[in-house]
Amino acid sequence: DIQMTQSPSSLSTSVGDRVTITCRASQSISRYLNWYQQKPGEAPNLLIYDVSSLQSGVPSRFSGSGSGTDFTLTISSLQPEDFATYYCQQSYSTPYTFGQGTKLEI
Amino acid sequence: QVQLVQSGAEVKKPGSSVKVSCKASGGTSSSYSINWVRQAPGQGLEWMGGIIPIFGTPSSAQKFQGRVTITADKSTSTVYMELSSLRSEDTAVYYCASRPTSVDWYFDLWGRGTLVTVSS
Repeated sequence: DIQMTQSPSSLSTSVGDRVTITCRASQSISRYLNWYQQKPGEAPNLLIYDVSSLQSGVPSRFSGSGSGTDFTLTISSLQPEDFATYYCQQSYSTPYTFGQGTKLEI
Repeated sequence: QVQLVQSGAEVKKPGSSVKVSCKASGGTSSSYSINWVRQAPGQGLEWMGGIIPIFGTPSSAQKFQGRVTITADKSTSTVYMELSSLRSEDTAVYYCASRPTSVDWYFDLWGRGTLVTVSS
């Protein structure tokens, strides 16, 4: 199975901060990398797919980059509604695996 | 507006089985895929398996092979996930999530989740 490792696991941040979350795959996954946001009590929500494509309706302050094994999710200016847990996910091969999550805290 | 509507919460005894449903409504592509992802309390996300209803052939993570059965009823656009030999560690919220087509490799739409509690 492909292991996905996110860092950091949690991050204390403030409104307006620029935030970068990294995700590393245990082997090359080309561009089969997606990012999800999850708020407490809710289902995950797709933010970015195929490394850098912004899902419809997602604010442009979210962006993704990377290739191969190393990827990043960047939030350019954190808004109050962005405090949540973020997961990366590889869809290169089954089982599709997720990172352990990064929780953004105030 | 496509929606995924899941069945309600379940409480099960260890050793029993649970069957969770996920109905797609509002219009989907012909080759959409439904996948099952679970989340234990306070934990991360775990992919269990999926199916493309038009083709009908499921796939599942090796961890669950032999215990999970994923089926699709094309006539009602409903996908089912049955998990057998339940144990306490199977207590989780079970989400269905769709891939829009068979060549899109992301989950763009999620159900609201079904809480399955395994307890004696």
